[in-house]
Amino acid sequence: SQKIEQNSEALNIQEGKTATLTCNYTNYSPAYLQWYRQDPGRGPVFLLLIRENEKEKRKERLKVTFDTTLKQSLFHITASQPADSATYLCALDPGNDKIIFGKGTRLHILP
Amino acid sequence: KAGVTQTPRYLIKTRGQQVTLSCSPISGHRSVSWYQQTPGQGLQFLFEYFSETQRNKGNFPGRFSGRQFSNSRSEMNVSTLELGDSALYLCASSLLDRGNYGYTFGSGTRLTVV
Repeated sequence: SQKIEQNSEALNIQEGKTATLTCNYTNYSPAYLQWYRQDPGRGPVFLLLIRENEKEKRKERLKVTFDTTLKQSLFHITASQPADSATYLCALDPGNDKIIFGKGTRLHILP
Repeated sequence: KAGVTQTPRYLIKTRGQQVTLSCSPISGHRSVSWYQQTPGQGLQFLFEYFSETQRNKGNFPGRFSGRQFSNSRSEMNVSTLELGDSALYLCASSLLDRGNYGYTFGSGTRLTVV
């Protein structure tokens, strides 16, 4: 069956360092891989999308890589700030069917 | 433009009761999806509607149902509530071709069943 794993439930990173979050999946061939941010008591907010034929995407301090051979995406936040503390969700989008989400990684940026 | 609006924000119901949750998507978005979020299971897909038709359905019992109106607003209903239905229910709207934009989520309805 399809499986998506974010392999850290929680991650503590010192302010100013780069935070790297991992998303692995099996038995799936997504057209897009998406990353969302979720703050407590709020709905997820879409951050970035990368297509299956793209290797890397950047947006300001965010960078996403996508390796369809390894079935893995890495999400990087450079020059991290305490305001980046949140839960980050990885999502697989087949393009024509439901999007499935990982359980998320709680990121804490320590001042 | 206005975001996705979910009402109510909070709800407390008793076991055995039923509940209806409402979602108004972003103007121009005709696809509405519903997810249940719990700490243990994360976001679980309930169903997706487009142009008043259910396009996809998740693995939830028949007590969970939904519909979409001609103005793209959507409702979901849960009958015969169980304690395990306590969760954050999230609605997400999108263009049918999600392209570069992903989902836009509402803030959710926090349902507590006692």
